[in-house]
Amino acid sequence: LAKTTQPISMDSYEGQEVNITCSHNNIATNDYITWYQQFPSQGPRFIIQGYKTKVTNEVASLFIPADRKSSTLSLPRVSLSDTAVYYCLVGYTGGFKTIFGAGTRLFVKA
Amino acid sequence: NAGVTQTPKFQVLKTGQSMTLQCAQDMNHNSMYWYRQDPGMGLRLIYYSASEGTTDKGEVPNGYNVSRLNKREFSLRLESAAPSQTSVYFCASSEASGGTYEQYFGPGTRLTVT
Repeated sequence: LAKTTQPISMDSYEGQEVNITCSHNNIATNDYITWYQQFPSQGPRFIIQGYKTKVTNEVASLFIPADRKSSTLSLPRVSLSDTAVYYCLVGYTGGFKTIFGAGTRLFVKA
Repeated sequence: NAGVTQTPKFQVLKTGQSMTLQCAQDMNHNSMYWYRQDPGMGLRLIYYSASEGTTDKGEVPNGYNVSRLNKREFSLRLESAAPSQTSVYFCASSEASGGTYEQYFGPGTRLTVT
C-alpha cells in the first residue's frame, strides 16, 4: 500500500487559492489518487480523483506530475466553509484497504 | 434516498459491556466498510465487506466482529468494550471495492466507554 504524506495544517484567507500537496513516493502503476473532505462531526466526502496530469470538477482541481510521486489539490477562492480536514488517498480497484492517514487541517480566516 | 444511515448516533458503555452498531445503505452498493476515528486523527479501517457474504479485517480489527447481514446492512459488534474503543465510528459503502470507487459515509456513531 502506498503511504501518503501531507502537511498537518494550513491557514488561508477567504478568496485565496489553496494548494495542498500530498507525497506518495511508492505509488504503484494501478493506483489512483483520491481526495476527501471532512467537516467536524461528519463523515468524509469525496472531492476529486485522478490518475495523471490534471483533473478539474466544480469544486477543485487535482494536479499530478508525470512521475506521480506527488499530487496537489487546488481549491480556488476558498471561503470560510472550506475549513475542514482534507485527506489524500492512494489505491486501486480491488485494493480494499484504503488508508486515510491524518489529513491536512485547512483553516480559512476572514 | 437516505444514503448511509447509522444507529445509534451516541452511546455510552461501561467497560465489559457489549453492543452492536448498525449500518444500512440504500444505494445498492456491493462494498461496505467500518472505520474508527480517534480525536484529531485520521480514519482507520476496522473491517470491510467487499461483497455480500464476505468480510475481511482492516488495520485495527482486534476487539470487533462484523456481520454482513445482507447487501444493505453491515453491523459492527463490540463483545467486551474497553476504554480504548472510545471513538467515533463511521460506516461507508461503495459501488465496488478498491481505491477507485467513491466511498459514501454515514453520519457516525460517537461511542464512549467508561
